[in-house]
Amino acid sequence: DVVMTQSPLSLPVTLGQPASISCRSSQSLVHSDGNTYLNWFQQRPGQSPRRLMYKVSNRDSGVPDRFSGSGSDTDFTLKISRVEAEDVGVYYCMQGTHWPWTFGQGTKVEI
Amino acid sequence: EVQLVESGGGLVQPGGSLRLSCAASGFTFSSYWMSWVRQAPGRGLEWVANIKQDGSEKYYVDSVKGRFTVSRDNAKNSLYLQMNSLRADDTAVYYCARVNQHTGDFWGQGTLVTVSS
Repeated sequence: DVVMTQSPLSLPVTLGQPASISCRSSQSLVHSDGNTYLNWFQQRPGQSPRRLMYKVSNRDSGVPDRFSGSGSDTDFTLKISRVEAEDVGVYYCMQGTHWPWTFGQGTKVEI
Repeated sequence: EVQLVESGGGLVQPGGSLRLSCAASGFTFSSYWMSWVRQAPGRGLEWVANIKQDGSEKYYVDSVKGRFTVSRDNAKNSLYLQMNSLRADDTAVYYCARVNQHTGDFWGQGTLVTVSS
């Protein structure tokens, strides 16, 4: 199985300051169809996961543009340009290229 | 508005069975792959199973192969997960998710399955 490794696992942040989460995969996430199925999820306390980004850098509808995704092959990053209070939660990267689809361990973002 | 509502969770003894359901609305259910994803208490996420639009293809994570069966009824806009030979490590919140771009774009609120004697 593809192992997804996130860092850091805990991220203390300051409101209005930038934040960054790294995600590395044990294999290339380039699919045979040419797409890279690396996705990011946010899980707020007591809620279901919510998809933020798909295929590395595509923001879902309603996701603020302070969130951005980048990377390629095995190395990916989620950035928050200016952290807001509503961004508190756990962030997961997830690969949908190789079955079984797998998640990172999660990064807890706290103020 | 896309809605996914899971049901059927509860307390079951080790070795027992449980059937989860997911009622979908707000989109053309028969046009999408669907998934089950689980989250053990205080733990991370694990993708459990995928099923194709017409049910002709199914994929399972190794830890549930031979014990869990995913199915769907497009006439009822419903997704199911039959879970047999349940073990303590199957204890988790089970989410159904709509698959889009090789991931889940909409998720339900989840249903808790507790396997304990």
